[in-house]
Amino acid sequence: DAGITQSPRHKVTETGTPVTLRCHQTENHRYMYWYRQDPGHGLRLIHYSYGVKDTDKGEVSDGYSVSRSKTEDFLLTLESATSSQTSVYFCAISELSGGSNYEQYFGPGTRLTVT
Amino acid sequence: AQSVTQLGSHVSVSEGALVLLRCNYSSSVPPYLFWYVQYPNQGLQLLLKYTSAATLVKGINGFEAEFKKSETSFHLTKPSAHMSDAAEYFCAVSRAGGFKTIFGAGTRLFVKA
Repeated sequence: DAGITQSPRHKVTETGTPVTLRCHQTENHRYMYWYRQDPGHGLRLIHYSYGVKDTDKGEVSDGYSVSRSKTEDFLLTLESATSSQTSVYFCAISELSGGSNYEQYFGPGTRLTVT
Repeated sequence: AQSVTQLGSHVSVSEGALVLLRCNYSSSVPPYLFWYVQYPNQGLQLLLKYTSAATLVKGINGFEAEFKKSETSFHLTKPSAHMSDAAEYFCAVSRAGGFKTIFGAGTRLFVKA
């Protein structure tokens, strides 16, 4: 299994509070991603990183920010949590494989509940 | 632009029966296609992938998928379902050299004894 951990694994927080989720990898992969998983929507990309300090927005980035100060760590921050951000959050990593594809490896997920 | 449509949010089969999970894609460039499986309370893991080599792709746990360009499909099959196959399955698409992947909404497979 790819070495990817997420912390915390579960969190309950109140509306309006800041929340930071951490993804840590030991694979030295260049690309890292944050997704949210909601019933009926599959996985939707929030933000991604293509190197240290290099990040970009995905399709559902509003209300989220990210940082990557080291290759192994990718942080997702909800500046002011809302109930609509209640979800399961997955981190993924990838690296060039077979010369042309970037199959992704996923962490175990963080279940976030905003009350 | 690329997109993936999985037909059927839930599929139920009996143990020993054929498993068929449907996936259709849309892509303006030659696609790379993936199937991932997610067991309860776990992350996704790669089941198999098509990257423009053989159109029939074999994966782990006896699953296989066939890329059909004329039908823009990449359906997942397994000849005989096991109880341990109960999980959610995601079809996904990317492009050659592209590091972003688009995921379908998922199909939950139930296996009846």
